[in-house]
Amino acid sequence: AQSVTQLDSQVPVFEEAPVELRCNYSSSVSVYLFWYVQYPNQGLQLLLKYLSGSTLVESINGFEAEFNKSQTSFHLRKPSVHISDTAEYFCAVSGNSGSARQLTFGSGTQLTVLP
Amino acid sequence: EPEVTQTPSHQVTQMGQEVILRCVPISNHLYFYWYRQILGQKVEFLVSFYNNEISEKSEIFDDQFSVERPDGSNFTLKIRSTKLEDSAMYFCASTKTGNIGYTFGSGTRLTVV
Repeated sequence: AQSVTQLDSQVPVFEEAPVELRCNYSSSVSVYLFWYVQYPNQGLQLLLKYLSGSTLVESINGFEAEFNKSQTSFHLRKPSVHISDTAEYFCAVSGNSGSARQLTFGSGTQLTVLP
Repeated sequence: EPEVTQTPSHQVTQMGQEVILRCVPISNHLYFYWYRQILGQKVEFLVSFYNNEISEKSEIFDDQFSVERPDGSNFTLKIRSTKLEDSAMYFCASTKTGNIGYTFGSGTRLTVV
């Protein structure tokens, strides 16, 4: 079984400031890790994922996340946020083999970018 | 870019009524899922479906719930006798290869009154 903890439910930040959204997970098996973004009244969009290889993964809109196995973390960062980044961000984990195909989500972090 | 389509976007139903939520997964995907998100809470896994049968289901997915792929393109979630606590956003998702590359639909907001 897996679990995901997102410690920060709300993160307000000023435009062009850096941001880090924290995610820790626990699992008894090897995992894949994901960040999803949900804009108001929309579905879940995949932002980035870690499957294997380089522990630093990047999205096309400037977000990055680093898989840290020893700390069981997958924190999301962006060096300079925009108003349009305002959304709810969900960290998720799944097992990487066998029947462990379901995604387990964290409780989400509402990122609000202030002008 | 291919999309997962869910209909309706909003549904209001009376307690005790049956409701069917509809999804059209991406055409070459093989694995199908339903998740739900009660307002202000986590997104929760309900059920996965592969090769025309349920492959996994959560504790939430009790006898009141069922899924079906009636015609090779639609994937439906039926709730037989809705309860107030079934009010949530229901997301359909599909993947080609199992637990990576999920594509989610935009959701159906179900309100039970």
